[in-house]
Amino acid sequence: DQQVKQNSPSLSVQEGRISILNCDYTNSMFDYFLWYKKYPAEGPTFLISISSIKDKNEDGRFTVFLNKSAKHLSLHIVPSQPGDSAVYFCAASVEGGSEKLVFGKGTKLTVNP
Amino acid sequence: DSGVTQTPKHLITATGQRVTLRCSPRSGDLSVYWYQQSLDQGLQFLIQYYNGEERAKGNILERFSAQQFPDLHSELNLSSLELGDSALYFCASSHDNYGYTFGSGTRLTVV
Repeated sequence: DQQVKQNSPSLSVQEGRISILNCDYTNSMFDYFLWYKKYPAEGPTFLISISSIKDKNEDGRFTVFLNKSAKHLSLHIVPSQPGDSAVYFCAASVEGGSEKLVFGKGTKLTVNP
Repeated sequence: DSGVTQTPKHLITATGQRVTLRCSPRSGDLSVYWYQQSLDQGLQFLIQYYNGEERAKGNILERFSAQQFPDLHSELNLSSLELGDSALYFCASSHDNYGYTFGSGTRLTVV
């Protein structure tokens, strides 16, 4: 049973345009969400996070939106750059809890020059 | 360099064999997590240790075991290896539950 779902295995966008990566979750106990970026032959690296008390968190070109009622979050990258090409993983946990992070299967983003 | 060190980077072994993967967490981090990433799969949680004790267990096979030593480094032992065990194995460490720092992984190939 996948508690965190990324339904799009891949996404291709043009440089300079917006990239929108989506993530859905089923466990209503999750209240802390993270996005990780992974390049080939490297481990995932933390990108941005959001607590359930917020509906938006912004860090430079990256913005994460959270819709708790829909159990949906999205990552917006504006403007997209070729260096953003990577696999993006959505993850969720119970804030302050001892539970591990639960990851989605990832979305491979390709930004074309 | 993330501060989390995994060795070896690559491992090729035969079916039925046993291997040990090693992870040194980032300085100050007490928790170590092991994840498996197979082809077309996300990061599957295997097991978590906190300050030497097992904290949580995920989809870890009985053929697999792990431990965390007093110096906080961790080892993941995989035995009676099968072709399907070929995967990337990631170790991550954290100081709290607000995010992990991952190592660069060990790519295991079972032939």
